[in-house]
Amino acid sequence: ELKVEQNPLFLSMQEGKNYTIYCNYSTTSDRLYWYRQDPGKSLESLFVLLSNGAVKQEGRLMASLDTKARLSTLHITAAVHDLSATYFCAVLNAGGTSYGKLTFGQGTILTVHP
Amino acid sequence: GAGVSQSPSNKVTEKGKDVELRCDPISGHTALYWYRQSLGQGLEFLIYFQGNSAPDKSGLPSDRFSAERTGGSVSTLTIQRTQQEDSAVYLCASSLFGAGETQYFGPGTRLLVL
Repeated sequence: ELKVEQNPLFLSMQEGKNYTIYCNYSTTSDRLYWYRQDPGKSLESLFVLLSNGAVKQEGRLMASLDTKARLSTLHITAAVHDLSATYFCAVLNAGGTSYGKLTFGQGTILTVHP
Repeated sequence: GAGVSQSPSNKVTEKGKDVELRCDPISGHTALYWYRQSLGQGLEFLIYFQGNSAPDKSGLPSDRFSAERTGGSVSTLTIQRTQQEDSAVYLCASSLFGAGETQYFGPGTRLLVL
């Protein structure tokens, strides 16, 4: 059974600082996704990572994937308050009867303060 | 429509009653997914519809839960004889062609069982 673990689960950052959120998963997968969720809102797609070594960047966020280590990172550069949200990684089930479903990490609650 | 829509946005019901939750996917999307988000369990996959194929029901927690998708578009998730542990946010997502495509999430239905 695929398991996905994120750390840290809670992250309090000062504006302007850098930090990384880690996402480990337990079995081989084709794809990994990062989503953002604001309080009381639904999930917003940030990145999809398709292959080993893939790197995607949007603004102050950069995501990468190492399929050999079964690890993805979401790096935050020079954090600003608007980035405060919960961030989820999700891994696509690679095969078998559950191909197509996403297994989510626990989520990382990010708070950026002055 | 522009995005995935769900109704109702909030539902309060009494234990033992049946509830129906509705999802309208993005027009043209062939795959539709239901997930559940709760404090204790995080984000859990429930069911996945892909075109005319038999749905993947592997995530449904009990036989009180069922879902259908009519005409390859709108989906209804039905919970019979609701229990307090069914209280959660039920999220619907759709993707263009199915497994591996980015899933776009609706706003969710917040279900409270008293």
